[in-house]
Amino acid sequence: DAKTTQPTSMDCAEGRAANLPCNHSTISGNEYVYWYRQIHSQGPQYIIHGLKNNETNEMASLIITEDRKSSTLILPHATLRDTAVYYCIVTGGTSYGKLTFGQGTILTVHP
Amino acid sequence: EPEVTQTPSHQVTQMGQEVILRCVPISNHLYFYWYRQILGQKVEFLVSFYNNEISEKSEIFDDQFSVERPDGSNFTLKIRSTKLEDSAMYFCASVWGTTSLQYFGAGTRLSVL
Repeated sequence: DAKTTQPTSMDCAEGRAANLPCNHSTISGNEYVYWYRQIHSQGPQYIIHGLKNNETNEMASLIITEDRKSSTLILPHATLRDTAVYYCIVTGGTSYGKLTFGQGTILTVHP
Repeated sequence: EPEVTQTPSHQVTQMGQEVILRCVPISNHLYFYWYRQILGQKVEFLVSFYNNEISEKSEIFDDQFSVERPDGSNFTLKIRSTKLEDSAMYFCASVWGTTSLQYFGAGTRLSVL
């Protein structure tokens, strides 16, 4: 699976959009970008995934650059409950299924 | 919404004892996983299981570990002789098909004394 690079931590004000970047410059053509988050020590929670088109669901939006070397997870109106570690994971191709977690980005939403 | 259930939520054991961590995956899911997270560290893949056999395992998953799906609902992780370094959160996950959209349980905190 391609390696990903994320900032260690980010802050966001409650009610504002949180934009979490991820670099995955070695991504291959059949690999997907997945985002998960982990609130405190709970089990990781799936947020969204995409291949090359931008995606939106009830939780977030995913913007993938045209060259697919980076992506941004957008939480449109962050709340205090969105404080968590956010993981960008590239997977798929011949290694579908298994998730390889990095250190992720610690997002702190403050009042 | 269907969920993955793990029991117990916290297990305390003595070094050298056997432990069994239990998981009930989502009912129509076909692929099952165990991950662990040592306190303050990242989530690590242990093993994946499909069609009643291990499909992939990590270097962590040595002979002390085993997995089983004894019936149509439970998925278990056994550690034969626990070590202090096995202390961690253990997460079970399941997925319906060949996708990485995994549903995780709340985890079992294993404390080895």
